[in-house]
Amino acid sequence: DAMVIQNPRYQVTQFGKPVTLSCSQTLNHNVMYWYQQKSSQAPKLLFHYYDKDFNNEADTPDNFQSRRPNTSFCFLDIRSPGLGDAAMYLCATSRDRGRSQPQHFGDGTRLSIL
Amino acid sequence: AQTVTQSQPEMSVQEAETVTLSCTYDTSESDYYLFWYKQPPSRQMILVIRQEAYKQQNATENRFSVNFQKAAKSFSLKISDSQLGDAAMYFCAYRSGGNFGNEKLTFGTGTRLTIIP
Repeated sequence: DAMVIQNPRYQVTQFGKPVTLSCSQTLNHNVMYWYQQKSSQAPKLLFHYYDKDFNNEADTPDNFQSRRPNTSFCFLDIRSPGLGDAAMYLCATSRDRGRSQPQHFGDGTRLSIL
Repeated sequence: AQTVTQSQPEMSVQEAETVTLSCTYDTSESDYYLFWYKQPPSRQMILVIRQEAYKQQNATENRFSVNFQKAAKSFSLKISDSQLGDAAMYFCAYRSGGNFGNEKLTFGTGTRLTIIP
């Protein structure tokens, strides 16, 4: 089945140690998104790619970066994780930009900071 | 900025009964889209139903239907004939109907639905 796959499901890193989360998709969708979801809170959009065009949300900290080397893969890099970055990180895709396009989500990666 | 409010952190319903989850939103826009997403425990979030603001007719998908009240900025989800597999966190979400590039989904904080056998 076509899907959005996030690896790993659980990631533990040390305070200040760079970490990378990955997302791949077999849907051949043009748009890929990264959301941060802290405990008992709503998912919050960090940024998205439309093809190779990167779109950052205004309130996304500089500590968060993203790469999309090809259509299928997208990475979330946290350069110096702080305790406040512990969260579930959700990757999503949509076929194209467009107001009613549904987003398809992966299972998420739960990030813990020691 | 748009906000989405889900005032029921938890709900429960007997199997086969009907339950309604509430959602209100705040916006100054007239063109937008509303969604309900379901996130089962340890599983991915999936789209349940969506509604275009310019459509007066309420969306329906099998046992799931919405009551969209545009003037009241209310978008509730009704689940009929509840099944054990409906147990999940349900998120209401808003998306602007503006130009391309405004891809942001604004989520509510979710309602955890428990189905009682």
